[in-house]
Amino acid sequence: GEDVEQSLFLSVREGDSSVINCTYTDSSSTYLYWYKQEPGAGLQLLTYIFSNMDMKQDQRLTVLLNKKDKHLSLRIADTQTGDSAIYFCAELGRNYGQNFVFGPGTRLSVLP
Amino acid sequence: DAGVIQSPRHEVTEMGQEVTLRCKPISGHNSLFWYRQTMMRGLELLIYFNNNVPIDDSGMPEDRFSAKMPNASFSTLKIQPSEPRDSAVYFCASSGDSNYEQYFGPGTRLTVT
Repeated sequence: GEDVEQSLFLSVREGDSSVINCTYTDSSSTYLYWYKQEPGAGLQLLTYIFSNMDMKQDQRLTVLLNKKDKHLSLRIADTQTGDSAIYFCAELGRNYGQNFVFGPGTRLSVLP
Repeated sequence: DAGVIQSPRHEVTEMGQEVTLRCKPISGHNSLFWYRQTMMRGLELLIYFNNNVPIDDSGMPEDRFSAKMPNASFSTLKIQPSEPRDSAVYFCASSGDSNYEQYFGPGTRLTVT
């Protein structure tokens, strides 16, 4: 079945760039997503990319998609302490109805 | 828009009791999802509805769990009887006709003692 994998932890210094990586298995994925979860809160949709794109930029966020390698990344420029959270990668497959498949989440810690 | 609304935000109950979690999706959205999040298992899809009809309930753990969506603006997830291993954060999410943007509620933190 579909599977989404992420590294579980990432630490960066404030002001540096963060790159969070994700791999997925469903080659029919139509959309790929990044969600952010702050402590005690729900998942917040940060950004998404359609599978026929290879890059999307939104202010400090850059999403890169390598469809051949089934690899998705989220780059956060000028990382701030407020970016500390868990970041989930998710995919929506064409053959999977409306079911999103989420990765395990990457806990980003921003050090002062 | 108020976003997805869930209640209660926190629930503490004793083993064996019935628990009912509630969700109000974003107005106009026609798909609703129930998820469970634990440290051990991460985020798991329990069930989702489209136009109030359950489409996939393969993630529901066992018969103790049931979900209903009597109308487009309300859904419940019921656990009867509850067990300590049901302790988790339960999220409701909804999406609209486009089906590619899913919005989450703040979650209900359930503790079963």
